[in-house]
Amino acid sequence: GQSLEQPSEVTAVEGAIVQINCTYQTSGFYGLSWYQQHDGGAPTFLSYNGLDGLEETGRFSSFLSRSDSYGYLLLQELQMKDSASYFCASRDSSYKLIFGSGTRLLVRP
Amino acid sequence: DVKVTQSSRYLVKRTGEKVFLECVQDMDHENMFWYRQDPGLGLRLIYFSYDVKMKEKGDIPEGYSVSREKKERFSLILESASTNQTSMYLCASSLAGTPGANVLTFGAGSRLTVL
Repeated sequence: GQSLEQPSEVTAVEGAIVQINCTYQTSGFYGLSWYQQHDGGAPTFLSYNGLDGLEETGRFSSFLSRSDSYGYLLLQELQMKDSASYFCASRDSSYKLIFGSGTRLLVRP
Repeated sequence: DVKVTQSSRYLVKRTGEKVFLECVQDMDHENMFWYRQDPGLGLRLIYFSYDVKMKEKGDIPEGYSVSREKKERFSLILESASTNQTSMYLCASSLAGTPGANVLTFGAGSRLTVL
């Protein structure tokens, strides 16, 4: 089966950098994705890592180490609007995409 | 603008009722998914479909069934609703292959309350 672990909550200050970690266990691995969900909204795709290393998309970056079964999402120059829940998700050899329980990020002024 | 549309935003049903949740996507995506979301539990996969008339169980299929008669439409059915099925239900779709299958587009969600 698949399981993903991530911290339940993280707090950071506006303008700072925050890292949200995700460790996973999967039988077969076809990449790690990250999604953002604001309260009352639907999850939206942020980033995908299929290979080891760092992927950068503006203020957001995502990292993957397959040998450590570990990844993280890095948010730079935090803004108030970044307050949301962030989910990591992994896929096995089928099209089954399993999500972690989510990390709630609170950005303080 | 790509879209996944869920038929009902809010529903209130009684215990034992049959409930249909409809989802339509206009992106010609091969894969479609139904998740439920509960506080502290994240998104849990109920069923997914990778082709018309094909379905696979997710992690929590008990008490649910699905139907995919057309590529663009994926329905979730609660044969006899129970109070523990009160939840937010999210439909999503994706392309086949890699990395497309890792990029889900979600609908706005259907909040179901079973009394």
